[in-house]
Amino acid sequence: GENVEQHPSTLSVQEGDSAVIKCTYSDSASNYFPWYKQELGKGPQLIIDIRSNVGEKKDQRIAVTLNKTAKHFSLHITETQPEDSAVYFCAATSGNYGQNFVFGPGTRLSVLP
Amino acid sequence: DAGVIQSPRHEVTEMGQEVTLRCKPISGHDYLFWYRQTMMRGLELLIYFNNNVPIDDSGMPEDRFSAKMPNASFSTLKIQPSEPRDSAVYFCASSSGTRRYGYTFGSGTRLTVV
Repeated sequence: GENVEQHPSTLSVQEGDSAVIKCTYSDSASNYFPWYKQELGKGPQLIIDIRSNVGEKKDQRIAVTLNKTAKHFSLHITETQPEDSAVYFCAATSGNYGQNFVFGPGTRLSVLP
Repeated sequence: DAGVIQSPRHEVTEMGQEVTLRCKPISGHDYLFWYRQTMMRGLELLIYFNNNVPIDDSGMPEDRFSAKMPNASFSTLKIQPSEPRDSAVYFCASSSGTRRYGYTFGSGTRLTVV
């Protein structure tokens, strides 16, 4: 089955700097890769996603890149703000129908003012 | 839309008691997922339904766990009997298979078994 690894487990950056979180997956059949942000006491919230037929996607300060050959994808946050502080999870599709996800272990991002 | 609604938000129970967690998915979503989140194991898929039918329950840890979806707007996850190691945050999520977007998660139920 699918296995998703995520690095780093914790990340501290100064406000205004960029943050990069990297994930690798094992199943070459995976075709959809969402990223979730989880704030304290809340459920994970989808912030951006990418499909296997696309190499990069941007949404304001957030971007995701995908390298299918190497089976890794990354989340890039530019001009970080204190409200970006949260736990971020990457995920990849799994299963026969590709509808359920396997999540990475998460990255705790702290943006220092 | 009110999003995915879970109840209760917090549950504290004694070991051996039955616990029932509830979930109302987003109207029109045909997939429903139950996840468990712990520090040690992260987010684990327990079971998921499509059109109220269980598709994959391989993540259900043992027979003490059961899940039902009697209709498109309601699902339950039951633990009987509960044990301290079941303490975790349980999330319900729903999605629309036709749109193939990511899930929408509920706010979770924090379960503590003492």
